[in-house]
Amino acid sequence: NAGVMQNPRHLVRRRGQEARLRCSPMKGHSHVYWYRQLPEEGLKFMVYLQKENIIDESGMPKERFSAEFPKEGPSILRIQQVVRGDSAAYFCASSPQSLYRGSGNTIYFGEGSWLTVV
Amino acid sequence: AQTVTQSQPEMSVQEAETVTLSCTYDTSESDYYLFWYKQPPSRQMILVIRQEAYKQQNATENRFSVNFQKAAKSFSLKISDSQLGDAAMYFCAYRRRETSGSRLTFGEGTQLTVNP
Repeated sequence: NAGVMQNPRHLVRRRGQEARLRCSPMKGHSHVYWYRQLPEEGLKFMVYLQKENIIDESGMPKERFSAEFPKEGPSILRIQQVVRGDSAAYFCASSPQSLYRGSGNTIYFGEGSWLTVV
Repeated sequence: AQTVTQSQPEMSVQEAETVTLSCTYDTSESDYYLFWYKQPPSRQMILVIRQEAYKQQNATENRFSVNFQKAAKSFSLKISDSQLGDAAMYFCAYRRRETSGSRLTFGEGTQLTVNP
């Protein structure tokens, strides 16, 4: 059973370019989460999505950042006009629909995508 | 809003000894989940252990166990017989229980060093 798959693992962008990070959740998981980890810091929540719906985007910067999780295909985190401060590790995580107690309430993480803005 | 606090930025332990990492949280909810994740130098986030708030019994996973004190809102992680491979950043996390799902809220982490 493949885990959460993120790509690219490493991405270098020049200031002003766009960055697109992709995430395929674990099989059977319908909830996707994006987190950002700045150097030497903890993980900060960005957005929570279900298929075709944004459930909670309270951690997303108001400008330049967007996320989607279409009916078909991976979830995409898009950063427009990148700046040096966007350099960070971006983690995607997934979980099944948590109707029941038990392991379904655990969120599993991908290996992260490292964005470097030069 | 829920908050998670890890008051120990760094901890160290001798190989084969026991270490306890502290975590406190703040919530008005009664039904929730608590987790410890480990982030080794590879930076991957690895689930260590999980606790459901409605269960009074403390969770254990091999050498890892927790001391869950619901009234005190405390959730510490004990690592027994520490191994060199346990060296990592450890994050405590909280998740509210909702049928529609909810996000994880993390503490700032504790960097654990294991000395040979």
